Amino acid sequence: DAKTTQPPSMDCAEGRAANLPCNHSTISGNEYVYWYRQIHSQGPQYIIHGLKNNETNEMASLIITEDRKSSTLILPHATLRDTAVYYCIVRPTQGGSEKLVFGKGTKLTVNP
Amino acid sequence: NAGVMQNPRHLVRRRGQEARLRCSPMKGHSHVYWYRQLPEEGLKFMVYLQKENIIDESGMPKERFSAEFPKEGPSILRIQQVVRGDSAAYFCASSPPRGQGANNSPLHFGNGTRLTVT
Repeated sequence: DAKTTQPPSMDCAEGRAANLPCNHSTISGNEYVYWYRQIHSQGPQYIIHGLKNNETNEMASLIITEDRKSSTLILPHATLRDTAVYYCIVRPTQGGSEKLVFGKGTKLTVNP
Repeated sequence: NAGVMQNPRHLVRRRGQEARLRCSPMKGHSHVYWYRQLPEEGLKFMVYLQKENIIDESGMPKERFSAEFPKEGPSILRIQQVVRGDSAAYFCASSPPRGQGANNSPLHFGNGTRLTVT
């Protein structure tokens, strides 16, 4: 499975967009990019995933570069409740292991 | 549509006792995954099960730990003869079978069982 690299921590002002980068330079053509977050003491929460195209849902947007070697998760209007550890994970579409392998993630702190 | 249900939320055991952690997957999900999170550390994969089958147990400790997902009922993670180092949060996740969900269905996690060994 491809590995990902994320900054260990980031800060964002409340109401501003939070842009969380992720590098996955060894990603294979059949691997999706997934984003999860974990708010203190809770279970990981699914945010969004994508393969090639940019994706948007009610929580966030996912921008994947054309070469698929990096991506950015965008929280358009961060709130204090978005303070959490954000995980970027790659996962095969089929074949291989179906599990998610979590790295250290990015600790996002949203400041008032 | 209920999410992944784990119980108990908190479990206290003395050294040497057994711990049994339960996980009921989301409706329609037949795949279950168990993860462990030690204090101040990341999530570590333990085991992946489908109904009545263990598919990947590469993260399970070789001794004292076992998991099952019977045809009927919840998935169970069992820890025998617990030690203080087993104190952690144990998370369960579920997903539908590959191919039955659109576009590579995500795993959905429960809120965990926090095991404390005294």
